[in-house]
Amino acid sequence: EVQLLESGGALVQSGGSLTLSCAASGFTFNTYAMTWVRQAPGKGLEWVSTVTGGGERAYYADSVKGRFIISRDNSKNTLSLQMNSLGAEETAMYYCAKVGDTTMAIAHFDYWGQGTLVTVSS
Amino acid sequence: DIQMTQSPSTLSASVGDRVTIACRASQSISHWLAWYQQKPGKAPKLLIYKASSLESGVPSRFSGSGSGTEFTLTISSLQPDDFATYYCQQYNTMWTFGQGTKVEIK
Repeated sequence: EVQLLESGGALVQSGGSLTLSCAASGFTFNTYAMTWVRQAPGKGLEWVSTVTGGGERAYYADSVKGRFIISRDNSKNTLSLQMNSLGAEETAMYYCAKVGDTTMAIAHFDYWGQGTLVTVSS
Repeated sequence: DIQMTQSPSTLSASVGDRVTIACRASQSISHWLAWYQQKPGKAPKLLIYKASSLESGVPSRFSGSGSGTEFTLTISSLQPDDFATYYCQQYNTMWTFGQGTKVEIK
């Protein structure tokens, strides 16, 4: 059974930094790209960042490019998101998700974690 | 950037109704489109990928169609468990979600 468990969400001041983690199990972690998606309270889904299975390539939304860094440790089946210079508008639930295709890094997301809440106070 | 526009934003329907949600892309995305269902306080759940492929375990009352810029999610007979918000997502170029369609009880 695929399981994704996010952690690291917290209350942080505007301009601060935070690192989120996602522990994965139930599948061959290093053969799938992994992604972060966020959802502000009462709002829709926003793709944030994706990293390929081997970690060699990362993709970022324009809104976070240059401030967020996605990474993975395939020896520990863990995905991370380092977030810097956070703004109040980035208060959101952050979800970790698995990309649903082994042959394509850009594909649908077939499994999602339950999310971790990041609150940025101004 | 590719923009995704869903319509309607809110849909009121009754159990047993046939429900259709539309999703339009700002440029052609071939068949690289997925649909997700989200219930309050829960993570999204994949329903449809590659425009019309039903994810394993998803009831057959859900179906997807379309290609290019126009797509549709259809629920053939709405069930009580289907009241939720639905999102389309393109993955032709990076990823973009539609703004969501809330299906509520009439």
